[in-house]
Amino acid sequence: SAVISQKPSRDICQRGTSLTIQCQVDSQVTMMFWYRQQPGQSLTLIATANQGSEATYESGFVIDKFPISRPNLTFSTLTVSNMSPEDSSIYLCSVEEGDRGPGEQYFGPGTRLTVT
Amino acid sequence: AQKVTQAQTEISVVEKEDVTLDCVYETRDTTYYLFWYKQPPSGELVFLIRRNSFDEQNEISGRYSWNFQKSTSSFNFTITASQVVDSAVYFCALSEPGDYKLSFGAGTTVTVRA
Repeated sequence: SAVISQKPSRDICQRGTSLTIQCQVDSQVTMMFWYRQQPGQSLTLIATANQGSEATYESGFVIDKFPISRPNLTFSTLTVSNMSPEDSSIYLCSVEEGDRGPGEQYFGPGTRLTVT
Repeated sequence: AQKVTQAQTEISVVEKEDVTLDCVYETRDTTYYLFWYKQPPSGELVFLIRRNSFDEQNEISGRYSWNFQKSTSSFNFTITASQVVDSAVYFCALSEPGDYKLSFGAGTTVTVRA
């Protein structure tokens, strides 16, 4: 499976600031996803990021708050803008490996964000 | 609409006991995929298994086994002879073809005591 890395692994940020999270994959992938996992909760999909097109956001998530870039087939960024304590979560990127069929996703190690 | 229910919030067992995690799903589609992921304390999600809706054969991988029953919309996961390293949160997830999204259950926290 693809090897996925994320930067930073964790950060503590002040409210009102923004943080950009990077996701790097060691192979070219078509579909990348960003998830949020709030403390003690399950994972919720934020958006799907395909190279060369605008990200597709899930209900409850908007581009102004979570802008996403996907400049090539191995890299994506998620920005958490104008942060509040409610944004404290683990943010995970994942990739879908198409040759194994739809839906088989592998996840990066996550970015633990704490907003004070 | 998709929905995955993991009714067990937490399970605690003593090492070497078997533990079964329940997963019940809802979907209107006849074609879909089911998954299990493990999230150890380190936080990284580890892919365990994917099954498609047309393959109801039970699967065994080492100490792990999965029981897929379409009649009851369940995809249960059993850890045999549990070990302390099995302590983690386990998530069941559902995906439909063409959608590529994973809908996760709430997760079950498994604690294996030595």
